[in-house]
Amino acid sequence: AQTIHQWPVAEIKAVGSPLSLGCTIKGKSSPNLYWYWQATGGTLQQLFYSITVGQVESVVQLNLSASRPKDDQFILSTEKLLLSHSGFYLCAWSPGQGAGAETLYFGSGTRLTVL
Amino acid sequence: GQQVQQSPASLVLQEGENAELQCNFSTSLNSMQWFYQRPGGSLVSLFYNPSGTKHSGRLTSTTVIKERRSSLHISSSQTTDSGTYLCAPTNSAGNKLTFGIGTRVLVRP
Repeated sequence: AQTIHQWPVAEIKAVGSPLSLGCTIKGKSSPNLYWYWQATGGTLQQLFYSITVGQVESVVQLNLSASRPKDDQFILSTEKLLLSHSGFYLCAWSPGQGAGAETLYFGSGTRLTVL
Repeated sequence: GQQVQQSPASLVLQEGENAELQCNFSTSLNSMQWFYQRPGGSLVSLFYNPSGTKHSGRLTSTTVIKERRSSLHISSSQTTDSGTYLCAPTNSAGNKLTFGIGTRVLVRP
């Protein structure tokens, strides 16, 4: 069975500090990977997606960047946090092929508070 | 881009009651997904339903592509059904989901 693990569960960071959030998928080779963000009370917005190692497409940047250093790993980062980065970050994967290729499976999320 | 509208915005049910949640979208899509968002924020996939009707336990999803709508029916609601229900159509390329704001459901015992 496939599992998705996100870390950390929560972070409290200062404005201007760096950030790195991670996501690992086990049990599925070559998944499509996604980062989503949800401001408090807001809609989920897709930030990035990746269909293969080393290749990341930006959907909404928000002064964040993403990388896929390994097939099963997706990293979201920034050098300098803004107050507007606060919210809930979710990593997700989809099979990418076959029936239900776009079905999304989410990690448990990271709650980020920027002070 | 894709616009997604969900209704009602919120719903209060007495345990045992049924409910119908609606999702309308503005442009053609590749598929439709429904998710349940727990109060803590994590998401659970309920349905991948590009067209027609699908059942899962007490839940039923119906998507009518040409009418640009999808619905989620909850029968015999339970307190554990409380949370937010989100619909998300996928674009034709299959790489972008656009989420609605959701329907917040509260089921009272």
